[in-house]
Amino acid sequence: DTGVSQDPRHKITKRGQNVTFRCDPISEHNRLYWYRQTLGQGPEFLTYFQNEAQLEKSRLLSDRFSAERPKGSFSTLEIQRTEQGDSAMYLCASSSEPRLAGGRDEQFFGPGTRLTVL
Amino acid sequence: GIQVEQSPPDLILQEGANSTLRCNFSDSVNNLQWFHQNPWGQLINLFYIPSGTKQNGRLSATTVATERYSLLYISSSQTTDSGVYFCAAENAGGTSYGKLTFGQGTILTVHP
Repeated sequence: DTGVSQDPRHKITKRGQNVTFRCDPISEHNRLYWYRQTLGQGPEFLTYFQNEAQLEKSRLLSDRFSAERPKGSFSTLEIQRTEQGDSAMYLCASSSEPRLAGGRDEQFFGPGTRLTVL
Repeated sequence: GIQVEQSPPDLILQEGANSTLRCNFSDSVNNLQWFHQNPWGQLINLFYIPSGTKQNGRLSATTVATERYSLLYISSSQTTDSGVYFCAAENAGGTSYGKLTFGQGTILTVHP
């Protein structure tokens, strides 16, 4: 088990450009989450997938953000027309449904993608 | 939604000292986790503890779900314990589907 992986680890872009991040969850996990963390704050929930279905989106996720998990395995998070306020660490996590894991829905996080928008 | 508050916000210790970090939450929980965030930003799982008491080496945690708080104990602290400690909770019921709400964290600094 290699854990949750994210790519790239760092991304520097200019305002107005589009960026895409990838997350590969732990292989047996069917739930996948995206969070965003700004400096000095705790992570904040963005969106959640169970298998390939996107079941919840935060109001933090503006129309410029889109997430997909087409085959229920890896996920991508795209930000269009980036703004300086999008600069943050984007964290991905995965877990199993409690009914598949003895009632336990412990989330495991990837190393994150640090986005800087100039 | 559920509110999660951590205290203290900052904690400075000498190596070898013991400490207690607190997490208060505003509603019943299905899940409560403690994490240590290392300097590179990686969240390391410490405990999955929606209720009860667990121990792992020098660390232990207790969650009293009926009183809506959790405590993380660090004994004989080491410089490598430095970093930010987060508590995160999932609200029971509703349609949260496992969404974790994080506290603001406790910044721990351990001096040699």
